Amino acid sequence: DTAVSQTPKYLVTQMGNDKSIKCEQNLGHDTMYWYKQDSKKFLKIMFSYNNKELIINETVPNRFSPKSPDKAHLNLHINSLELGDSAVYFCASSQIGGRSYNSPLHFGNGTRLTVT
Amino acid sequence: DQQVKQNSPSLSVQEGRISILNCDYTNSMFDYFLWYKKYPAEGPTFLISISSIKDKNEDGRFTVFLNKSAKHLSLHIVPSQPGDSAVYFCAAMGGYTGGGNKLTFGTGTQLKVEL
Repeated sequence: DTAVSQTPKYLVTQMGNDKSIKCEQNLGHDTMYWYKQDSKKFLKIMFSYNNKELIINETVPNRFSPKSPDKAHLNLHINSLELGDSAVYFCASSQIGGRSYNSPLHFGNGTRLTVT
Repeated sequence: DQQVKQNSPSLSVQEGRISILNCDYTNSMFDYFLWYKKYPAEGPTFLISISSIKDKNEDGRFTVFLNKSAKHLSLHIVPSQPGDSAVYFCAAMGGYTGGGNKLTFGTGTQLKVEL
């Protein structure tokens, strides 16, 4: 009964490769997010989709491309991976109106990406 | 530009005592604040929140206090239990008109509750 699930949990790859991380939520939420936690433990938002529409797009390299086939899925594709992309990537979801006190973000367990 | 700051990277408390975790923010547009708890190898889980129209919100052993004039909030855990040992993240939102919950997180405080 996992609410927000991401795969894979660990991803080790070489520089220059292209990789994808998948995320699915079964909470019925209409908004999904990608957050990145870097080596300094900062959790920063990257993207957000509401009903398959991109609504938040922070300053992220073009090599990162989110894709939302439906409101329950938000995948992250990364091209030409670089050493600095090594981090933990968290997917999250919430119900917009999103400012509701009863609708905080629900996070997945993260994907640890290591680029060598 | 770190808009949410948790200046104590770690805190150690004895079981049964009070744990007080602090958070400061700089953006006056923030109007909703949350605390998340994170265990190793798991994602952050929502703990408690507070709107800027309130100065206190309580949920069981957890109470969040907000001092808007000082741009400061704190999380009190009473009594502290060993299972509370985790990283606690303070987060804030507000002033963003683009839709969605754009949360700004602090860097977290590692709480260790000792027997």
